[in-house]
Amino acid sequence: DAKTTQPTSMDCAEGRAANLPCNHSTISGNEYVYWYRQIHSQGPQYIIHGLKNNETNEMASLIITEDRKSSTLILPHATLRDTAVYYCIVVRGTGFQKLVFGTGTRLLVSP
Amino acid sequence: SAVISQKPSRDICQRGTSLTIQCQVDSQVTMMFWYRQQPGQSLTLIATANQGSEATYESGFVIDKFPISRPNLTFSTLTVSNMSPEDSSIYLCSGLTGANTGELFFGEGSRLTVL
Repeated sequence: DAKTTQPTSMDCAEGRAANLPCNHSTISGNEYVYWYRQIHSQGPQYIIHGLKNNETNEMASLIITEDRKSSTLILPHATLRDTAVYYCIVVRGTGFQKLVFGTGTRLLVSP
Repeated sequence: SAVISQKPSRDICQRGTSLTIQCQVDSQVTMMFWYRQQPGQSLTLIATANQGSEATYESGFVIDKFPISRPNLTFSTLTVSNMSPEDSSIYLCSGLTGANTGELFFGEGSRLTVL
């Protein structure tokens, strides 16, 4: 399964867009990119996922490069409540696959 | 979506004792999992809880230490046996509700401190 690489930490000013990158250079054609976040002392929360097209929902947008080797999660107007650890995970699209969490990116949103 | 409830939310235990954590889902889930999150670390998968049969454990985790039950589609328990301070962690239950194999729902976790 494809592994992912994320920066250890990032900072963002409140109200600005937070752009969280993820590299998955060994991703294969049937693997999806999933994003989760874990706010302190809570269980992880699913955010969004995509295969090759850009995706948007009420929480975030996901931009996947044309070669699919990297992606960016965008929180368009970060708030203090978006401070969390963000995990990028590659998941096979067919059959069941256990989710393996990496170390993620710790995003700190400041006033 | 699914709402997953865990009990207890936290506990302080003595070395050598055992504790059972309960996980209840408000709707049927196809699969249930137990994760551990040690202080300052990411999540590590302990096992897949299989309905009506023995759980499937990941490397480094054994049934004698972490017995798991799943008697039906909405309930599972994880027991941490013969605890030591190294077992102090957050234990998280998660469930998969449909065909979207990457979209897991998690409980709030059970924070266990072993003295």
